[in-house]
Amino acid sequence: EAQVTQNPRYLITVTGKKLTVTCSQNMNHEYMSWYRQDPGLGLRQIYYSMNVEVTDKGDVPEGYKVSRKEKRNFPLILESPSPNQTSLYFCASSRTGPAGETQYFGPGTRLLVL
Amino acid sequence: TQLLEQSPQFLSIQEGENLTVYCNSSSVFSSLQWYRQEPGEGPVLLVTVVTGGEVKKLKRLTFQFGDARKDSSLHITAAQPGDTGLYLCAGAKSGNTPLVFGKGTRLSVIA
Repeated sequence: EAQVTQNPRYLITVTGKKLTVTCSQNMNHEYMSWYRQDPGLGLRQIYYSMNVEVTDKGDVPEGYKVSRKEKRNFPLILESPSPNQTSLYFCASSRTGPAGETQYFGPGTRLLVL
Repeated sequence: TQLLEQSPQFLSIQEGENLTVYCNSSSVFSSLQWYRQEPGEGPVLLVTVVTGGEVKKLKRLTFQFGDARKDSSLHITAAQPGDTGLYLCAGAKSGNTPLVFGKGTRLSVIA
């Protein structure tokens, strides 16, 4: 089954404790991205990757890192999480760059930073 | 700056009613998409429109892309409880520019 998987689905952590949210897709997609979704603010892009070893900042990249060493994986790293990073996070992928292409979203990761 | 403005933000209607959701911008987009998101899940694509003036139908849902490719609308005929969800529009200005999402319209259809 074609899908985007994220792990973990739920995470409670404390300020400053490094964490990684994994994202994997099995559709051989070139384009992958991370979003956060907050009430009243909608979906905002954190980082995106056009292909392996190519990553770029989205609208809200501060406090986040990503890597794209393999085509299928695009982990999101929070080196020193803070409470304002409490949010619902989505990974997405598409065949090529986003214009006109179906974005396939993962199920989401709900993060609480205390 | 929110490039895509959706209205209304919230909509609660009775089963069988019709409704229209709007997605407006001052910018031109090469393509515009509509997604639906249900609680606990990621958004799922409903439609992509790429030509100014284009109209697409998906059962009871009708999508229109404005002639100038700056706005779009989603019309639902005879809404059903299964239509309940968050409707998101998303636009891209060109092939590799990031997708921009509107804040969404939360629809509740009451039986």
